[in-house]
Amino acid sequence: GAVVSQHPSRVICKSGTSVKIECRSLDFQATTMFWYRQFPKQSLMLMATSNEGSKATYEQGVEKDKFLINHASLTLSTLTVTSAHPEDSSFYICSASQAGELFFGEGSRLTVL
Amino acid sequence: DAKTTQPTSMDCAEGRAANLPCNHSTISGNEYVYWYRQIHSQGPQYIIHGLKNNETNEMASLIITEDRKSSTLILPHATLRDTAVYYCIVRPSSGSARQLTFGSGTQLTVLP
Repeated sequence: GAVVSQHPSRVICKSGTSVKIECRSLDFQATTMFWYRQFPKQSLMLMATSNEGSKATYEQGVEKDKFLINHASLTLSTLTVTSAHPEDSSFYICSASQAGELFFGEGSRLTVL
Repeated sequence: DAKTTQPTSMDCAEGRAANLPCNHSTISGNEYVYWYRQIHSQGPQYIIHGLKNNETNEMASLIITEDRKSSTLILPHATLRDTAVYYCIVRPSSGSARQLTFGSGTQLTVLP
């Protein structure tokens, strides 16, 4: 299947700083990518849909000014957590669509101190 | 509004078949049944999907009832590496709402 890669896999940052997470489709082009968040012992929750060349669509309750999404190319979407706080500590997972099927990245674990 | 119902957890002996049930009584005619699994601290992994016919691949078999209101994922010979959370998801075959909506899933523990 298609390969989706995330970077970094783990990141620790101080409160108030911003963190960028990258999601790349390695062997295909993805016009649509999705960002999920997963808290411990919970399921994945969709945060936003990222469309190449246009603004992301955010799910209800997700602050678009806090979670900045950029999908500038067909192989890269980025999620920037701005002014991170400890409650933003979570496992962030992206997925990319190819031929209607979804492929997931390995996830990025963010810890905000 | 959950579209699927799965048991919270199941155990299975190594080498035996693992049968994971899923209820999706409100499934629409154009919705597929997808199964993904998530090993701890990893991204979800696609397993199999189907519309109304039973499906089999190298990982698993999917049995869908004739009325499509429930399905069962079968791992024929479970190994310790199959310990994971298994998600049953219904998804439209087309249209804008084609992201995956995850429920709570079933924690499968394969015991030695």
